[in-house]
Amino acid sequence: ETGVTQSPTHLIKTRGQQVTLRCSSQSGHNTVSWYQQALGQGPQFIFQYYREEENGRGNFPPRFSGLQFPNYSSELNVNALELDDSALYLCASSLNGQSNQPQHFGDGTRLSIL
Amino acid sequence: GQSLEQPSEVTAVEGAIVQINCTYQTSGFYGLSWYQQHDGGAPTFLSYNALDGLEETGRFSSFLSRSDSYGYLLLQELQMKDSASYFCAVYGQNFVFGPGTRLSVLP
Repeated sequence: ETGVTQSPTHLIKTRGQQVTLRCSSQSGHNTVSWYQQALGQGPQFIFQYYREEENGRGNFPPRFSGLQFPNYSSELNVNALELDDSALYLCASSLNGQSNQPQHFGDGTRLSIL
Repeated sequence: GQSLEQPSEVTAVEGAIVQINCTYQTSGFYGLSWYQQHDGGAPTFLSYNALDGLEETGRFSSFLSRSDSYGYLLLQELQMKDSASYFCAVYGQNFVFGPGTRLSVLP
């Protein structure tokens, strides 16, 4: 069983740039959720994709967008990067977008904005 | 809106029992989950409660009272490796994680 993998592990960008983060879900999982985690805080829900459709969105501006592919892997795109976007971005996969299903997290992408 | 509250820090000694509380406010509620996260690591799933009562999984137990919007995680026979941050998470309108409780287990 292959776990959740994220790439890249670290990334440095400057204000105003755009970034794409990638996530491969655990085999058998059709749901991917993205989270932003600032240092010392809990993960903040960005959005969830279930079978290639957005299935819920947190309180993040439209410059945060996503995509899920037919193999259930996913991308998170962030445009017009701001200093406050510096954080750990976590991807989690689960089954059928249901609350009682455990979310399996990747190790995250550490994004630093200069 | 949705919000969760947890104690920021808890300290206990090896072999002890510790309880981490979580209160929540949410529009819509499907269940309460608990996750563990070691420093530099990914959150890992511990438990899920949809109905009132206690769920036991080895040394860890989780409790939910829907009428009180309250739950807790109980860790027994604490080990050094249990030192980590613990997050409660609610699935209502969306998934919402609490701010986390940092547990330090002392020898």
